[in-house]
Amino acid sequence: EAQVTQNPRYLITVTGKKLTVTCSQNMNHEYMSWYRQDPGLGLRQIYYSMNVEVTDKGDVPEGYKVSRKEKRNFPLILESPSPNQTSLYFCASSLYAGANYEQYFGPGTRLTVT
Amino acid sequence: KNEVEQSPQNLTAQEGEFITINCSYSVGISALHWLQQHPGGGIVSLFMLSSGKKKHGRLIATINIQEKHSSLHITASHPRDSAVYICAVTNFGNEKLTFGTGTRLTIIP
Repeated sequence: EAQVTQNPRYLITVTGKKLTVTCSQNMNHEYMSWYRQDPGLGLRQIYYSMNVEVTDKGDVPEGYKVSRKEKRNFPLILESPSPNQTSLYFCASSLYAGANYEQYFGPGTRLTVT
Repeated sequence: KNEVEQSPQNLTAQEGEFITINCSYSVGISALHWLQQHPGGGIVSLFMLSSGKKKHGRLIATINIQEKHSSLHITASHPRDSAVYICAVTNFGNEKLTFGTGTRLTIIP
């Protein structure tokens, strides 16, 4: 089944404790991106990747890192999480670079930083 | 930066009613997406369109490029249509999506 998977689905952590949220897609998509969703603000892009080893900042990249060493995986790293990073996070992918192709979203990761 | 506005923010209707959700944007785009987010949180792409109209089952999406406006219609609404509907646009020359804040639809049996 074609899908985007994220792990973990739920995470409660403390300020400053490094964490990684994994994202994987099995559709051989080139384009992958990370979003955060906050009440009243909608979805905002954190980072995106056009292809392997090609990543770029989105609208809200501060406090996050990403890497794209393999086409299928696009992990999101929070080196020193803070409470303002408490949010619902979505990974998404599409066939080619750019957002003019159908977006496939992962199930979401609800992160709470205390 | 493109501003994407959706209306209404919240909509409650009776089962069977015809539903319209609107989306307007401020700057020319290359494509517009309609997404559906169910209470569990998962997001599904419903439509992607750059002109005219698309139909899938009871859902119809239209776009007017000149007026910078799109509508999502649901015919014969059903409680399972209850969800948040999100409009997103792809800006010209930009690989990023800009999202509206969503319309929460509740269909009462």
